[in-house]
Amino acid sequence: DQQVKQNSPSLSVQEGRISILNCDYTNSMFDYFLWYKKYPAEGPTFLISISSIKDKNEDGRFTVFLNKSAKHLSLHIVPSQPGDSAVYFCAASVDFGNEKLTFGTGTRLTIIP
Amino acid sequence: KAGVTQTPRYLIKTRGQQVTLSCSPISGHRSVSWYQQTPGQGLQFLFEYFSETQRNKGNFPGRFSGRQFSNSRSEMNVSTLELGDSALYLCASNTMGPGELFFGEGSRLTVL
Repeated sequence: DQQVKQNSPSLSVQEGRISILNCDYTNSMFDYFLWYKKYPAEGPTFLISISSIKDKNEDGRFTVFLNKSAKHLSLHIVPSQPGDSAVYFCAASVDFGNEKLTFGTGTRLTIIP
Repeated sequence: KAGVTQTPRYLIKTRGQQVTLSCSPISGHRSVSWYQQTPGQGLQFLFEYFSETQRNKGNFPGRFSGRQFSNSRSEMNVSTLELGDSALYLCASNTMGPGELFFGEGSRLTVL
């Protein structure tokens, strides 16, 4: 049972445009959400997170939106750059400080120059 | 500051064998988590150790085990290997901040 779902395995976006990556979850106990980025032959690196008490968190070009009623979150990257090409994983945990993360299957983002 | 170090990076085993993977966390990090990554399944949580104690365990069979030493280094062991155990095994450490795990590059296991 996939509790965190990323329904788009891949996404291609023109350089300079907005990239929107989506994630849905089913477990209503999740209250902390994260995005990780992974390049080939490297481990995932933390990108941005959001607590369930917020509906938006911004860090430079990256913004995460959380819609609790829809159990949906999205990552916006503006403007997209070639270095953003990677696999993006959405993850969730049931409480703050819990290292047990439930990951989605990932979305491969390709930025077209 | 050195990152999370995993050894070996690549290994090939045959069915029925066992394997031990090693992880050295970032200096000062006391929590070590292990994840399995397979195509189409994303990253799945195996277990997490803190101060030599297993604090969390994922839904994996008992063939998967781990331990943590007093210096925070961790090992995971998979016994009686099956073809389906072929995966990238990722170790992560952290010391503060929920979910802000620092991952190693992983150990890629191929079971023939």
